Amino acid sequence: NAGVTQTPKFQVLKTGQSMTLQCAQDMNHNSMYWYRQDPGMGLRLIYYSASEGTTDKGEVPNGYNVSRLNKREFSLRLESAAPSQTSVYFCASSHQMGGPYEQYFGPGTRLTVT
Amino acid sequence: EDKVVQSPLSLVVHEGDTVTLNCSYEVTNFRSLLWYKQEKKAPTFLFMLTSSGIEKKSGRLSSILDKKELFSILNITATQTGDSAVYLCAVDRDDKIIFGKGTRLHILP
Repeated sequence: NAGVTQTPKFQVLKTGQSMTLQCAQDMNHNSMYWYRQDPGMGLRLIYYSASEGTTDKGEVPNGYNVSRLNKREFSLRLESAAPSQTSVYFCASSHQMGGPYEQYFGPGTRLTVT
Repeated sequence: EDKVVQSPLSLVVHEGDTVTLNCSYEVTNFRSLLWYKQEKKAPTFLFMLTSSGIEKKSGRLSSILDKKELFSILNITATQTGDSAVYLCAVDRDDKIIFGKGTRLHILP
């Protein structure tokens, strides 16, 4: 079991460029999440997908879009990157939302926007 | 507004000391409280607490929840340098998990 995998590990973008962060899990989890982590801010939820075919906004969705491609994969897209989106991005998954299930995290993507 | 507040924000102790990390919350539709340890990369799960007064233990780590006073503590006894990390508290409400900002713990040899 690889758990939760993310690609790429590192990325540098220029302002205005677009990119997609990929996430996949092999634990047959129903729910998946995208977080960003900034110094002193903890983890903030960008978007989540409670189940295949559904996506919802989290705390900080502006500037991002997501796609739940299938049960395994949940991608995060930056259409026009801005320096404020420089952060570490974590994907996570859990058995399902609305129950006492812990989240499992991927290794993170460190994104720098210049 | 829902919030999860951790204290202290940072802590430096010597190896062998015992530390207590605090997490208070104000969240509607509480389901569970979770503790994670984050070293260089992804957070790793430590504990999930759903009931008051029941201590969860794993080696030198233990945690307890007080749902009346809305807080949890994470204790680490006989600390080791490998315990140096950021410890995250999170509260699961019925539609999402809210994280605190974390406590950065540094253990001096």
